[in-house]
Amino acid sequence: DTAVSQTPKYLVTQMGNDKSIKCEQNLGHDTMYWYKQDSKKFLKIMFSYNNKELIINETVPNRFSPKSPDKAHLNLHINSLELGDSAVYFCASSRLGGASGANVLTFGAGSRLTVL
Amino acid sequence: SQQGEEDPQALSIQEGENATMNCSYKTSINNLQWYRQNSGRGLVHLILIRSNEREKHSGRLRVTLDTSKKSSSLLITASRAADTASYFCATERAGAGSYQLTFGKGTKLSVIP
Repeated sequence: DTAVSQTPKYLVTQMGNDKSIKCEQNLGHDTMYWYKQDSKKFLKIMFSYNNKELIINETVPNRFSPKSPDKAHLNLHINSLELGDSAVYFCASSRLGGASGANVLTFGAGSRLTVL
Repeated sequence: SQQGEEDPQALSIQEGENATMNCSYKTSINNLQWYRQNSGRGLVHLILIRSNEREKHSGRLRVTLDTSKKSSSLLITASRAADTASYFCATERAGAGSYQLTFGKGTKLSVIP
């Protein structure tokens, strides 16, 4: 019954490897996001998709590639992993222009990536 | 670019006391939101205050907004050990079609039983 679920929860890998994190929401939201939280807890937006279309693409290395097969899913693929990619990655979703008129996010539990 | 800045970075209080956290931001906003993050978990939305509102209450939470000073405060009354978490403010920037939320660095609250 989890509203926003992401897998895996933990990911430990070597530098140079390629890995993916998957996210699914069952809230019927039309917009999904990837945020990166660093070791100092700073939360920074990476990407946002609205109805499967990319609408936010912050300054993120092109080793990071999001993919949204449908409105309920947003995956994040990372190529050639580097030490600095170690962080917690959060998926979130929202309904733009919802009943409140404000953009309120529902977050997943996070995926902790450790690059050795 | 970072929009919100919480203050203090860390706060430690005794159970039953009130906790006040502040947030400052830089640009005009549509609304300001507060989220809580328990250790090892995702963020959870707590309360939202719109730019034309000055104060909002929800249970033990009280939020104020001063758009002239570009600042907000979150007050948690009668704190409990379960309130121990990090608290983040997030601003939705004003502007047509604008909806992106920008988060601050958070205040880590510890409530001592």
